[in-house]
Amino acid sequence: DADVTQTPRNRITKTGKRIMLECSQTKGHDRMYWYRQDPGLGLRLIYYSFDVKDINKGEISDGYSVSRQAQAKFSLSLESAIPNQTALYFCATSETGNSRTGELFFGEGSRLTVL
Amino acid sequence: AQSVTQLDSQVPVFEEAPVELRCNYSSSVSVYLFWYVQYPNQGLQLLLKYLSGSTLVESINGFEAEFNKSQTSFHLRKPSVHISDTAEYFCAVSPGGSNYKLTFGKGTLLTVNP
Repeated sequence: DADVTQTPRNRITKTGKRIMLECSQTKGHDRMYWYRQDPGLGLRLIYYSFDVKDINKGEISDGYSVSRQAQAKFSLSLESAIPNQTALYFCATSETGNSRTGELFFGEGSRLTVL
Repeated sequence: AQSVTQLDSQVPVFEEAPVELRCNYSSSVSVYLFWYVQYPNQGLQLLLKYLSGSTLVESINGFEAEFNKSQTSFHLRKPSVHISDTAEYFCAVSPGGSNYKLTFGKGTLLTVNP
């Protein structure tokens, strides 16, 4: 089983619908992230969370919200989806403490299409 | 703030040829540098990293990268590529001493042809 699991892996929805992407991890890491990948733009950070009570906006948080339900779970919501939110979304984790290296561990991605 | 520039969006090469994927960064503080690889239909995985010490770092599958502080570069090289190296490669930077908010480049698609 993957250490970082994302559901759903693929989703097609319509403009205006509410969508939730879920992420769970078994790595025991404190830090979790949501990134968005668009062709030719690389990865851009949407939100990140250092622990259950610490959630921070990334560079492109408008139109998104997150919830850290537990140390192992971090979900991303689109309250009213729009077509330019069509993208591949990645959840990632990293550890704190002595390992201050910034290495991220990624899920396999959730491909969202908004019609 | 930091930024990363990957100078080539696509690099096609033939099998067994050498390859170099270029990465330049800018930062006002010391940095950690990374190369991540994304195989088709998969998430990203770490290929190699520079934190400190030797400026030449290597991966287990034959890639290497050299940190050049004066040129603010971290180019990725492999002397002989395989079909299986076909993937998208991302250079990333984070502020040294602070392990969050990696900044990624836009990626370089390496296509290895037979």
